[in-house]
Amino acid sequence: DGGITQSPKYLFRKEGQNVTLSCEQNLNHDAMYWYRQDPGQGLRLIYYSQIVNDFQKGDIAEGYSVSREKKESFPLTVTSAQKNPTAFYLCASIKDRGANYGYTFGSGTRLTVV
Amino acid sequence: DQQVKQNSPSLSVQEGRISILNCDYTNSMFDYFLWYKKYPAEGPTFLISISSIKDKNEDGRFTVFLNKSAKHLSLHIVPSQPGDSAVYFCAARGNFNNAGNMLTFGGGTRLMVKP
Repeated sequence: DGGITQSPKYLFRKEGQNVTLSCEQNLNHDAMYWYRQDPGQGLRLIYYSQIVNDFQKGDIAEGYSVSREKKESFPLTVTSAQKNPTAFYLCASIKDRGANYGYTFGSGTRLTVV
Repeated sequence: DQQVKQNSPSLSVQEGRISILNCDYTNSMFDYFLWYKKYPAEGPTFLISISSIKDKNEDGRFTVFLNKSAKHLSLHIVPSQPGDSAVYFCAARGNFNNAGNMLTFGGGTRLMVKP
């Protein structure tokens, strides 16, 4: 079955550590996105990529980095520069520009700083 | 500046009655609107959408209404069922500034359907 796989489901990070969240899709989708959800809040865009080897900052990119070396993969690194990283992280993808349907989302990664 | 707003953080409805979830937007360049449903610790799932050239779209128990002049859309669920209890996100697509299919999300409304 096609879909988006995020791993791990739960992740604990110590202060000052970098961690990488995985996002893999086998839907042959062109564009991929990373969102962050905080309790009681909506989804805020961190980074997005419309094609391989290209990505753009979203609204809250500071303290995060991404790469898009393969169409299927869009990992997100939460760096030590991100001051408040505890949140629920969602990866999404969509086929191409102009497609009149919504994103497909992964099941999310909950990151907690300990 | 929030371009998509859901002003009601929560809504409680009796089973069998109508649930109405509201969403307001500020950017007149949005051309497509979507509703997503989200359970705790899961990713959102697509529910229903509407193009800006329409004012209504219906899919089973779910109907979305769009009022462009008021920059307002609403999701009606009739009849509401306990399984509908979830957080509902309104999203808008802006096909401008080379943004492609980027969606802007509202803050979500938690719907609780009581048996």
